[in-house]
Amino acid sequence: NAGVTQTPKFQVLKTGQSMTLQCAQDMNHNSMYWYRQDPGMGLRLIYYSASEGTTDKGEVPNGYNVSRLNKREFSLRLESAAPSQTSVYFCASRYIGSVNEQFFGPGTRLTVL
Amino acid sequence: AQSVSQHNHHVILSEAASLELGCNYSYGGTVNLFWYVQYPGQHLQLLLKYFSGDPLVKGIKGFEAEFIKSKFSFNLRKPSVQWSDTAEYFCAVIFLSSNTGKLIFGQGTTLQVKP
Repeated sequence: NAGVTQTPKFQVLKTGQSMTLQCAQDMNHNSMYWYRQDPGMGLRLIYYSASEGTTDKGEVPNGYNVSRLNKREFSLRLESAAPSQTSVYFCASRYIGSVNEQFFGPGTRLTVL
Repeated sequence: AQSVSQHNHHVILSEAASLELGCNYSYGGTVNLFWYVQYPGQHLQLLLKYFSGDPLVKGIKGFEAEFIKSKFSFNLRKPSVQWSDTAEYFCAVIFLSSNTGKLIFGQGTTLQVKP
């Protein structure tokens, strides 16, 4: 069981470039989440997918799009990267049931120049 | 709006000192409560969680937390810290009324333990 995996681990972009962050989980979880982590602000929810086929905005969705490709995979796309999107991005997943624990991936450190 | 607040942003302790990190959340009905730790260069790991029952919960590495419903608080404690506890600590809450499982995080507390 790999848990939650994310690619790439590091990325440097120029302003205006696009890229997709990939996330996959092998725990048969229903829900998946994308967060960004910035100093002094904790983790903030960008988008989430409560179940396969659905996506919803979180706290800071502007400048991002997501795709829930199948039950395992949930990607985050930056169409036109901006320096304000320099951050560490974490993907998480959760099994819908009595236990609400989320499991986190290792993160992607993104720098936008 | 649903929110989580951690009182201490940066804490510096000597080894063997006791630790208490504060966490408060806004009113929002029934909650699930979590403390996560992030060691330097690593991803988030769950320290402990509270869903129901005994309000004093014990986690890994000697950490514990107490849920005080009347104060909307979930403070993290450890009687004697070690240098290896140097990390960033996050309190997080799921407000069950939202039915989405979304975690709301506090701002984080950086703990530095001096040997």
